[in-house]
Amino acid sequence: QKEVEQNSGPLSVPEGAIASLNCTYSDRGSQSFFWYRQYSGKSPELIMFIYSNGDKEDGRFTAQLNKASQYVSLLIRDSQPSDSATYLCAVESSGSRLTFGEGTQLTVNP
Amino acid sequence: EAGVAQSPRYKIIEKRQSVAFWCNPISGHATLYWYQQILGQGPKLLIQFQNNGVVDDSQLPKDRFSAERLKGVDSTLKIQPAKLEDSAVYLCASSLVREIGELFFGEGSRLTVL
Repeated sequence: QKEVEQNSGPLSVPEGAIASLNCTYSDRGSQSFFWYRQYSGKSPELIMFIYSNGDKEDGRFTAQLNKASQYVSLLIRDSQPSDSATYLCAVESSGSRLTFGEGTQLTVNP
Repeated sequence: EAGVAQSPRYKIIEKRQSVAFWCNPISGHATLYWYQQILGQGPKLLIQFQNNGVVDDSQLPKDRFSAERLKGVDSTLKIQPAKLEDSAVYLCASSLVREIGELFFGEGSRLTVL
């Protein structure tokens, strides 16, 4: 089992729709969870982090965490073409290592 | 504030040759990371430094890869000898010690091994 697993994608949504990106992790001791966005040919950049169960909202982005189910998600409301990118889920596991998933490629169609 | 600096941006070498990548983290960031990102995959941690010390190098192929961080600032990642499967982007990142997980990445060094 991979430490961090994401929807294989690619995911395509129309402009204005909600994009839902999912991630599961294997280490029950993980405490910190991150979403990075990576545009094609560019480096990852942090967009959200969440430490507690529940929802965390930042503008059009909402991160959701359920530690009991070992599940993290990212919702993007009112998706824009500029949101088209690969979204990487990252989990800080025991020993403070940050492990990334393979990423989900999102395309927002105008 | 200056970001993470990396060089060279691109490098093409023949298999069995050697290559070195350099990274200068954001000023004041004690933790420095080297990640390998193969096309279509997520970044994979190779080595993590905190100041001068190695925190995690469990996924570093030590028979061919080496890394050092001089005086707790700049870092160099070396590959010798290179294999075809080492073709990837090598990403350097840094973070404040208390904010592990909130990484700032450099632009990366793209390596092609022929």
